[in-house]
Amino acid sequence: QKEVEQDPGPLSVPEGAIVSLNCTYSNSAFQYFMWYRQYSRKGPELLMYTYSSGNKEDGRFTAQVDKSSKYISLFIRDSQPSDSATYLCAMSAYSGYALNFGKGTSLLVTP
Amino acid sequence: EPEVTQTPSHQVTQMGQEVILRCVPISNHLYFYWYRQILGQKVEFLVSFYNNEISEKSEIFDDQFSVERPDGSNFTLKIRSTKLEDSAMYFCASSSGQGVGELFFGSGTQLSVL
Repeated sequence: QKEVEQDPGPLSVPEGAIVSLNCTYSNSAFQYFMWYRQYSRKGPELLMYTYSSGNKEDGRFTAQVDKSSKYISLFIRDSQPSDSATYLCAMSAYSGYALNFGKGTSLLVTP
Repeated sequence: EPEVTQTPSHQVTQMGQEVILRCVPISNHLYFYWYRQILGQKVEFLVSFYNNEISEKSEIFDDQFSVERPDGSNFTLKIRSTKLEDSAMYFCASSSGQGVGELFFGSGTQLSVL
């Protein structure tokens, strides 16, 4: 069983839509959960991180973690064409240790 | 804004040749990493480096791979004898260690092994 699963998409939404991105995982030891954004031919850029279960909000972005279901989500409100990118979930059991990435979801926001 | 710099952006090599990928991490960072991404696949952890030694490595990071911080600014990944399956985008990352998951990634080196 793969440790981190993420639907690769592509996901296409109109500008202004609410976007929901998700990952599931199998390793119950994961405690640190992150979302990265990756533009074409660039390195991943950290968007959000969450420790253990709960919600975290930052501007138009909300990250949710449900450890009981081994399920994490990223919501993007009022999506913009500049949000078009690949979104990677990543997680780790310990702070500073290796990150386990999902395959990434390709998002296209159309004007 | 400080950034992680990687050179070269593209590297083409023949199978069996040695390659060195170079990175300049953010200047006050203490933790350094190499990740790779094979086309269409996940970003995979290779190695982490702290206090001049490897702190963690994956199964991918076998004897053909080595890392070095030869001076106060550069961080290198060497592949001794490249294989076709080493073709990938290699990302260097650094962290101050203050924030969980706050790795800053470079733009990557695309390695093509022919």
